[in-house]
Amino acid sequence: DQQVKQNSPSLSVQEGRISILNCDYTNSMFDYFLWYKKYPAEGPTFLISISSIKDKNEDGRFTVFLNKSAKHLSLHIVPSQPGDSAVYFCAASYNDMRFGAGTRLTVKP
Amino acid sequence: EAGVVQSPRYKIIEKKQPVAFWCNPISGHNTLYWYLQNLGQGPELLIRYENEEAVDDSQLPKDRFSAERLKGVDSTLKIQPAELGDSAVYLCASSLKTGIEQYFGPGTRLTVT
Repeated sequence: DQQVKQNSPSLSVQEGRISILNCDYTNSMFDYFLWYKKYPAEGPTFLISISSIKDKNEDGRFTVFLNKSAKHLSLHIVPSQPGDSAVYFCAASYNDMRFGAGTRLTVKP
Repeated sequence: EAGVVQSPRYKIIEKKQPVAFWCNPISGHNTLYWYLQNLGQGPELLIRYENEEAVDDSQLPKDRFSAERLKGVDSTLKIQPAELGDSAVYLCASSLKTGIEQYFGPGTRLTVT
């Protein structure tokens, strides 16, 4: 039962351009949404979050957008940098946290 | 501030052998989680502790997996006996409370041969 889905397993963008990572969820009980970043051989690192009462949260180059009616959230990275190359996991929570399968972002110099 | 510590980082065992993983959460974090992560997938919750109490262990295969969190700080996850399908990364995470951002350790990569 995949309640959180990331349909794009990979994304490649040019340095300096925008990266847009997408995530869909099915459970309307989720009230808190997060993005994690993972480098090889490391655990996921918390990146940014958004409460269900908001539709946008910004932190530097990272912005998360939430569309509750569509049960969709996205992460925008502007401008993208080579160091952003990693696997990004979307997560949703109401008690327990459910994770998507991840999207591998590659930022090319 | 020290992050979540896990050991060992890597473990290779033969099937039917026992194995144990250890986790030390961030100081002051009451909630501790054990996750399983298979290749190409996101973390899947095995068990969640609030202090020393296991409040959600519905996804823990209790015939072979066990966990404990004595004194509400460190935690140990055990598998006995291990099966080939248990090969995965086992992640420990902690948070101040349930439902907010969790902080992950580096994980233990288990290979069962």
